[in-house]
Amino acid sequence: QVQLQESGPGLVKPSQTLSLTCTVSGGSISGGAYYWSWIRQHPGKGLEWIGYIYYSGTTYYNPSLRSRVTISIGTSKRQFSLKMSSVTAADTAVYYCARQITMVRGVNVDYFDYWGQGTLVTVSS
Amino acid sequence: DIQMTQSPSSLSASVGDRVTITCQASQDISNHLNWYQQKPGKAPNLLIYDASNLETGVPSRFSGSGSGTDFTFTISSLQPEDIATYYCQQYDNQYTFGQGTKLEIK
Repeated sequence: QVQLQESGPGLVKPSQTLSLTCTVSGGSISGGAYYWSWIRQHPGKGLEWIGYIYYSGTTYYNPSLRSRVTISIGTSKRQFSLKMSSVTAADTAVYYCARQITMVRGVNVDYFDYWGQGTLVTVSS
Repeated sequence: DIQMTQSPSSLSASVGDRVTITCQASQDISNHLNWYQQKPGKAPNLLIYDASNLETGVPSRFSGSGSGTDFTFTISSLQPEDIATYYCQQYDNQYTFGQGTKLEIK
């Protein structure tokens, strides 16, 4: 059973960089028809996809956040990370990491099948 | 950007009721539409993928239909454990979610 767990500071000052790590257990980031995504949810609001990374290092970001976001894979191949620069109060949200599957039994699909529990990041001085 | 519009934003129903939520895409997305359930304080959980395919382990009272721009999510007989917020999500062009439908028991 794949499990994902977010970790990182719960409080970040405005204009600084938010850094989160997602640790994957019960599986590896390497190979397979999976992307590894970050998604956030503003308090009491809906969900916003931030971006994903493939095990090869290929990334794809939400255009609205692209200039401030970097997603990378850790050397252990069991972690991937999110960095978001120049944060403001508008970046206060619960941040989720998730596995994204793109093929099931030879059929193309695209959905988020495993999620971390989420971590609240508050941007405040 | 593809915008996803869900309706209603909230609804109240009785146990045993048939519940329907709609999701409209701002452009044709074929069947590239998933549905998730989110309970308070928890991560979303996939229920339906590709508009009408039930994820393994999900009760058969949940179903989805539609293609193009108009989609429907149905709970055939509402159970107390179905209290949650439901989101549609398109993956035709990037990934965007509907604003959610909060379901309560009457």
